[in-house]
Amino acid sequence: AQSVTQLGSHVSVSEGALVLLRCNYSSSVPPYLFWYVQYPNQGLQLLLKYTTGATLVKGINGFEAEFKKSETSFHLTKPSAHMSDAAEYFCAVSGRNYGQNFVFGPGTRLSVLP
Amino acid sequence: NAGVTQTPKFQVLKTGQSMTLQCAQDMNHNSMYWYRQDPGMGLRLIYYSASEGTTDKGEVPNGYNVSRLNKREFSLRLESAAPSQTSVYFCASSDQGGLMGTEAFFGQGTRLTVV
Repeated sequence: AQSVTQLGSHVSVSEGALVLLRCNYSSSVPPYLFWYVQYPNQGLQLLLKYTTGATLVKGINGFEAEFKKSETSFHLTKPSAHMSDAAEYFCAVSGRNYGQNFVFGPGTRLSVLP
Repeated sequence: NAGVTQTPKFQVLKTGQSMTLQCAQDMNHNSMYWYRQDPGMGLRLIYYSASEGTTDKGEVPNGYNVSRLNKREFSLRLESAAPSQTSVYFCASSDQGGLMGTEAFFGQGTRLTVV
């Protein structure tokens, strides 16, 4: 079955440090790729997505992600972490190989230390 | 513009009781979904409806039923609740069912505890 993996269920960074959250997908056909953020006791909010075109995509709150077909990856980065970035982050895919729905990774909880 | 609205937000059930989770979207989306979220497992698809009048099983459909009442509403029913169904349930909708790169929009979730 097609799947999405996120390396690291919990990542801690210091405030002001680089944030790197990893996402890999398993599909012979590149899917559409999404990053969502979930703050405590809330629903999921779209951070950014890749459909076609430029492989470096920018999202809200200073996040960006780069689609690398050769590595089947879509890692999320932010140059400087802020306390308000503490949340759970989910990578998701959709497209022809995933039917008419979205498949989510297990999530990575980001903690930001003062 | 409310987006995706789920009711109730919280619910406690006794084992064997039944209940229906309601979901409505006001974005005129064709596709709607029910996911459950459990720690360390991400979101797992229970059922989805690609368009009005159709429903299909997802990854974890056992113990659940759904109804696509109209284009706006998609309900999830637990006929006989079990402790294993304790979870946070999310409803989502999407314009093209993920086939064209359109994203899913999520409700705020229903936190269900079965005792």
